[in-house]
Parts: sequence; structure tokens; C-alpha cells
Amino acid sequence: GAVVSQHPSRVICKSGTSVKIECRSLDFQATTMFWYRQFPKQSLMLMATSNEGSKATYEQGVEKDKFLINHASLTLSTLTVTSAHPEDSSFYICSARSPGANEKLFFGSGTQLSVL
Amino acid sequence: AQKITQTQPGMFVQEKEAVTLDCTYDTSDQSYGLFWYKQPSSGEMIFLIYQGSYDEQNATEGRYSLNFQKARKSANLVISASQLGDSAMYFCAMREGPSSARQLTFGSGTQLTVLP
Repeated sequence: GAVVSQHPSRVICKSGTSVKIECRSLDFQATTMFWYRQFPKQSLMLMATSNEGSKATYEQGVEKDKFLINHASLTLSTLTVTSAHPEDSSFYICSARSPGANEKLFFGSGTQLSVL
Repeated sequence: AQKITQTQPGMFVQEKEAVTLDCTYDTSDQSYGLFWYKQPSSGEMIFLIYQGSYDEQNATEGRYSLNFQKARKSANLVISASQLGDSAMYFCAMREGPSSARQLTFGSGTQLTVLP
């Protein structure tokens, strides 16, 4: 079945540095990918919709300059957390829709970001 | 108002028994989709089952079935013959509108623990 690969699975960084998270669709082309954020024991909150070849659509309250999204190809979307601070520590997870009649959204394995 | 409501933060079930996880939703769209995902402690989101708003029959996938009651706007997940490996967080989610490119809105989740 369709697979979404997310890398890295875990990253620890110092405050003020930038972190890039990659999301790849391995055996299908994804014109749209979604980025979610999840705090411990809470639900997934949509951050932004990543569209190939155009600007991402951000949800209300999500800082565009803080969370940079680039969807440069049909199989790759990246989320860059710029100038990370401890409050950015969270679990970030991407998803992509497999084209066709199948309604499934496939998720990456997530990235646990810890900012010291 | 909450789009997706999961009223059971935690559930326990004995191994080999069946368990029902509740989910109610709120939408004014006629076309929508309902999903259940499983999230083990590793963090990945595993697709379990999908029900379209126009589907007349309840969806089934192996040991998972979705009890879809459209008039009551409920989409409960039934897991039959529970296994220890079923212990995880379970999220109900909804996609509003006919476009399958739209993002999912997730409920707060139910932590299921299967007891030996």
C-alpha cells in the first residue's frame, strides 16, 4: 500500500536553531500534503496544507514565518521550524492522500522535536 | 462547537472481548467522510476504517467495524476479539465536503487498554 516516509523521527536542538522535517510519499504522487502538530496525550491539530508548486495554506494561529513549508515536488514536502524555542517542542506528523477513489490519508511516522 | 467528539478518554477491555469506542460528529455538509485511526506509543497513525456519508452499509475491515448512525451523527468503532496489540490511542476523524483533498479534523482520542 501507499507509504509516507517522515524524517527524522526524533530531533533535539538548541534554542534558536532551525530544524527541517521531511515528508515523502514513496510510491505515489501527492499534490497535497498536510502537516499536523500533536502535544502529549492530545489530538492532532492541523497546522497547514502543503500544495505542490504553490504556497502553503496555514491554519489560523500558525505563524507562517515560524513554520516554513516547501512542497517542491510531487513526492516531497518539508517543514522547517525556524529559530526554534522550547515551546515549539512537540510531535509533528505529516500526511498525504493517495490519489484515486480511495479516501485514505496516509501518515508519516512523526517527528518528536525537543528544543532545549 | 466541537466537530468531532470522543467522550471516552480511556477504555479498558478484556482480551478476546469486543469493545466499542464512541464518536459523534457535527457537520452541515451532506457529503463527508469519517475515519478511524490507531496511534500506538510509537506515534505513527495507522488507518483502520473509512465510512462515507452516502455509504448505506456499515464499513467493515477485518476485526474493525464502524457503527454508522447518520441520523444520530455517530460513527462508533467496534473492535471484535480484542488483542493485546490493540492497546493504543484511537482517533475518530472527519473530512467535510466532497473534495478528498480536504484535511481531516480529529477528535480528542480514546486510550484503549486491553487487559490479559
